[in-house]
Amino acid sequence: DAGVTQSPTHLIKTRGQQVTLRCSPISGHKSVSWYQQVLGQGPQFIFQYYEKEERGRGNFPDRFSARQFPNYSSELNVNALLLGDSALYLCASSIGTLANYGYTFGSGTRLTVV
Amino acid sequence: AQSVTQLGSHVSVSEGALVLLRCNYSSSVPPYLFWYVQYPNQGLQLLLKYTSAATLVKGINGFEAEFKKSETSFHLTKPSAHMSDAAEYFCAGYQGAQKLVFGQGTRLTINP
Repeated sequence: DAGVTQSPTHLIKTRGQQVTLRCSPISGHKSVSWYQQVLGQGPQFIFQYYEKEERGRGNFPDRFSARQFPNYSSELNVNALLLGDSALYLCASSIGTLANYGYTFGSGTRLTVV
Repeated sequence: AQSVTQLGSHVSVSEGALVLLRCNYSSSVPPYLFWYVQYPNQGLQLLLKYTSAATLVKGINGFEAEFKKSETSFHLTKPSAHMSDAAEYFCAGYQGAQKLVFGQGTRLTINP
């Protein structure tokens, strides 16, 4: 079975631009979460979506938004990019919203803002 | 609110030696706790998880962790280190509101 798939794997953008990152969860998983991992730090929670509804939001500015589609795939959008947005963006999928189900992470999208 | 602290940003052991990576949590409620491993340029792989069942949790690749409520700890151990264990390890706790809170990570280096 395919794991969590993220695209693209690498991306270079200029300050002020907008970016869209994509995630396909494991088949049967209805929950998708997004995390930002800055170099040298642990991942930070951005969003969780379940059944196309936002179920959790981290401490990120409104420039960050996301959505989940009927097939449970998800997109993360970041507007007005800043240099500080350079990071590895990780998507995690889960069967449900509870932690005891466990989260499976994708390999991430490495975003570089120049 | 849940927080997770990993003691030691870098641990170095010899091949065949005991691996001990330390994690402490703070929470007023029984937590869900996880250990993840991250190899260079890759995502996170779940090693093991504690969900209020047995306090000694066995994971993949020979790793295990013991939940000690009295010490608010969830340290990761492996009896004998292999070169392939070299990676970044993250302890994480479930904070509610559908999010995991991660520690800062511990880089494990294995010396031949």
